[in-house]
Amino acid sequence: GQQVMQIPQYQHVQEGEDFTTYCNSSTTLSNIQWYKQRPGGHPVFLIQLVKSGEVKKQKRLTFQFGEAKKNSSLHITATQTTDVGTYFCAGSDGNNRLAFGKGNQVVVIP
Amino acid sequence: DGGITQSPKYLFRKEGQNVTLSCEQNLNHDAMYWYRQDPGQGLRLIYYSQIVNDFQKGDIAEGYSVSREKKESFPLTVTSAQKNPTAFYLCASSAPGQAAPQHFGDGTRLSIL
Repeated sequence: GQQVMQIPQYQHVQEGEDFTTYCNSSTTLSNIQWYKQRPGGHPVFLIQLVKSGEVKKQKRLTFQFGEAKKNSSLHITATQTTDVGTYFCAGSDGNNRLAFGKGNQVVVIP
Repeated sequence: DGGITQSPKYLFRKEGQNVTLSCEQNLNHDAMYWYRQDPGQGLRLIYYSQIVNDFQKGDIAEGYSVSREKKESFPLTVTSAQKNPTAFYLCASSAPGQAAPQHFGDGTRLSIL
């Protein structure tokens, strides 16, 4: 079945620094979504990317969809303690199912 | 407020027992999903339903069963055939359409006594 890989699986980030998390698929995706799960919480939808090469920004977060629509990245600048949590990407290859990656658990060091 | 309600938040099961997890949504969404989350494993799809009275197996359906008699409700039964049921279970719903964004409930944490 469709698989989406995320790297790295864990990150420790100093408060104030930037970091990036990556998502890769072996197949072409029709769209990719990003979710954030705070510790003890549930995943919350952040954004959806549909077009090849698409870039979207939400304040300090920048999301990018690759030209081949097989990879995506999330870049966060000036990390804050509120950025702690696990970031999931989820891809669809055209059916109504999403394949979630295993997530990137981010710990912020004050 | 519209949303998804999962109950109970914590659930304990004895060996050999079936247990049913509740999921109710008032978002008027057609599609509903059940995921299992284990540490380091991300979200794995158990069952999903795109319309009332219809559902499909996901990637790890063995030992689980569902029903979708009402649009608002999608209960999950963890049967005694599920050999490792201890996990965090998440229910989600979405509008119809190609992989529409999913809205998640707060989850149920199931443990074996």
